Amino acid sequence: DAKTTQPPSMDCAEGRAANLPCNHSTISGNEYVYWYRQIHSQGPQYIIHGLKNNETNEMASLIITEDRKSSTLILPHATLRDTAVYYCIVRPPYNQGGKLIFGQGTELSVKP
Amino acid sequence: GAGVSQSPSNKVTEKGKDVELRCDPISGHTALYWYRQRLGQGLEFLIYFQGNSAPDKSGLPSDRFSAERTGESVSTLTIQRTQQEDSAVYLCASSFLGNQPQHFGDGTRLSIL
Repeated sequence: DAKTTQPPSMDCAEGRAANLPCNHSTISGNEYVYWYRQIHSQGPQYIIHGLKNNETNEMASLIITEDRKSSTLILPHATLRDTAVYYCIVRPPYNQGGKLIFGQGTELSVKP
Repeated sequence: GAGVSQSPSNKVTEKGKDVELRCDPISGHTALYWYRQRLGQGLEFLIYFQGNSAPDKSGLPSDRFSAERTGESVSTLTIQRTQQEDSAVYLCASSFLGNQPQHFGDGTRLSIL
C-alpha cells in the first residue's frame, strides 16, 4: 500500500504557483520522498526527490517539513502543460529494491 | 533522444494467446523495473532487475507472467494464456543504480479481446 496521502484533485490558475501537498506520516528515516507526474497517455515523468532538505531544480521545488511527515511540491509558474496527475511517493531504500509504490495521486488542472 | 523505449506501443490479442512486451532501457542503466497500470488506476509494481538478475519478483500477479533481461540491457515481459483482466498499460523504467530516479517509457497498451 502507498504510504502517502494526497488530495484527489486541485485547480490552479495559469501563471500562478501550484502547491501540491502530500502527507507521509509513517516515513522511515532512510526513505526518500519522490514526485512524478503523468500526462495522459504518457509514462510517468520524474520531477524531483529529497530526503530531509528542501530541493529545487528547473521544474519545481520540494519543501519537506522538519519532522518529514509531510511535503509540498511547488510549481512556481504553472502553465497549461502542467495539467497532469502528480504522484508523491515514499521510496524504500536501495537495499530493499527501490521500487516505487504509486497511490492515486493528485489530478492538477491548470486553467487559463 | 536516448530515453526508455518500449515496443509495441499497442497490442491487441485474443484471450488465451501469449504476448511478449519489450523494453530497451537507457544505455548504461543497471536497474530495470516493470509496472502495470489498469485504466484509471495508479501503477502497480511487477518486477525489478539489477543487471540480469531479478531480486524482486513480488509483484508478478500469477505464474502466467514472467520476465527476463539479457546483456544487462533489453528486457522482455511475457504473459502466457492471456486473460481479459490482463488488459492494461505495461510500463518499463530504468535507473543508473537502484537508488537513482527511475525514468519511464510510454508503455505498451495491451488489450485482450
